[in-house]
Amino acid sequence: QKEVEQNSGPLSVPEGAIASLNCTYSDRGSQSFFWYRQYSGKSPELIMFIYSNGDKEDGRFTAQLNKASQYVSLLIRDSQPSDSATYLCAVRLNQGGKLIFGQGTELSVKP
Amino acid sequence: EAGVAQSPRYKIIEKRQSVAFWCNPISGHATLYWYQQILGQGPKLLIQFQNNGVVDDSQLPKDRFSAERLKGVDSTLKIQPAKLEDSAVYLCASSLERVLRETQYFGPGTRLLVL
Repeated sequence: QKEVEQNSGPLSVPEGAIASLNCTYSDRGSQSFFWYRQYSGKSPELIMFIYSNGDKEDGRFTAQLNKASQYVSLLIRDSQPSDSATYLCAVRLNQGGKLIFGQGTELSVKP
Repeated sequence: EAGVAQSPRYKIIEKRQSVAFWCNPISGHATLYWYQQILGQGPKLLIQFQNNGVVDDSQLPKDRFSAERLKGVDSTLKIQPAKLEDSAVYLCASSLERVLRETQYFGPGTRLLVL
């Protein structure tokens, strides 16, 4: 089992729709969870982090964390073509603090 | 605030040659990371420095890869000799401290192609 798993996609949504990106992790003791966005040919950029169970909202982005289910998700409301990118879920391991990335989910927002 | 700087941005070499990458972290950031990102995969940590000491190099192929961070600022990552499977983007990142909630900031990366 991979430490951090994401559907590779591509996930295609129409402009204005809600995009839902999912991530599961295996280290039950993990405390910190991050979502990075990576445009093609560019480096990852942080868009959200979440540490507590529940929802965290930042503009059009909502991160959701369920530690009991070892599940973290990212919702993008009112998706725009500029949101088309690969979204990387990253989990910081409790032991050693190493940041482990999933393989990323490619999102395509169609005008 | 200037971001993480890396050079070169692109490098093409033949297998068995050597190559070196340079990284300058954000000013004041004590922790520096080198990641390898193969096409279609997420970044994989190769080595992590806290100031000029190595914290984690468990996934660094030490028979061919080496890294150093002199004076706790700039860092270099070297591959010698390179293999075809080393073709990837090498990302440098830095963070203020090595704590669980600290955010890592990435540089633009160096794209390596080994022929």
